[in-house]
Amino acid sequence: QSVLTQPPSVSAAPGQKVTISCSGSSSNIAKTSVSWYQQLPGTAPKLLIYDNNKRPSGIPDRFSGSKSGTSATLGITGLQTGDEADYYCGTWDVSLSVWVFGGGTKLTVL
Amino acid sequence: EVQLVESGGGLVKPGESQRLSCAASGFTFNTYTMTWVRQAPGKGPEYVSSISSSSNAVHYAESVKGRFTISRDNARNSLYLQMNSLTPEDTAVYYCVRGDWREDWGQGTLVTVSS
Repeated sequence: QSVLTQPPSVSAAPGQKVTISCSGSSSNIAKTSVSWYQQLPGTAPKLLIYDNNKRPSGIPDRFSGSKSGTSATLGITGLQTGDEADYYCGTWDVSLSVWVFGGGTKLTVL
Repeated sequence: EVQLVESGGGLVKPGESQRLSCAASGFTFNTYTMTWVRQAPGKGPEYVSSISSSSNAVHYAESVKGRFTISRDNARNSLYLQMNSLTPEDTAVYYCVRGDWREDWGQGTLVTVSS
C-alpha cells in the first residue's frame, strides 16, 4: 500500500490528452513539492516534473504538472506511442521523514 | 554530463551482507543530497535511504532501518550502501539517485537474495 495513491492505469488515443492523479495527505503533498517520473520498460525512472510544475531541460512542454492541497496531477498532451510507460509521483513525507512514491500508473496509448 | 554508476550487486544468500557503491561524476558531488532507491521485479520504486551533502542528516525506510547503512566519501565522489542481514524481500535493482528532487538516476545494480 503506497503512501501516495495513483490510478493503476490510464489510456487514450494518439494526439489526445491524459491526466494522472496523485493523492497524498497533510504530511506529504500538502507540505512539500511533487516530482513526476517516467519509466520506460527496462530503464531507470526519468524525472519529468519537479517542484510541482517545473520541467527539466529537454522535457517537452507536452508534459505539465500541478498541485492543489493534498493532490497533484500530471498532464500529457499530444500523446505519442513513445509515451507508453509507467508514471510515478514522488515527494517527501515530513512525518515519516522518507521520500514516498505513488504506486505507479501505466499509460497505454491506444 | 551527470553520471551515476552503481556497482556491487549480485547473488547473495539470506542473512549475508553486501556493499553497494555509486561512482558519481559530472557535477559537484559534495553539494547534493544522495539517495538509494530500489525497485523489486514488477514493482514500483521504493525509497531506501538518503544522506545530506555533508553527511549530517541520514534517513532510512522502516523496512531497512537497523540493517542498512548509507555513507558517502565526498573526496572520492562516491556513495555507499552497506546492507546486512539480507532477506529475499531485499531482492531488487538498487539505484543511486542525485538531488533533492531525485532528479538523476543511475542505471541500477541488481541484488538477488536467494539460497
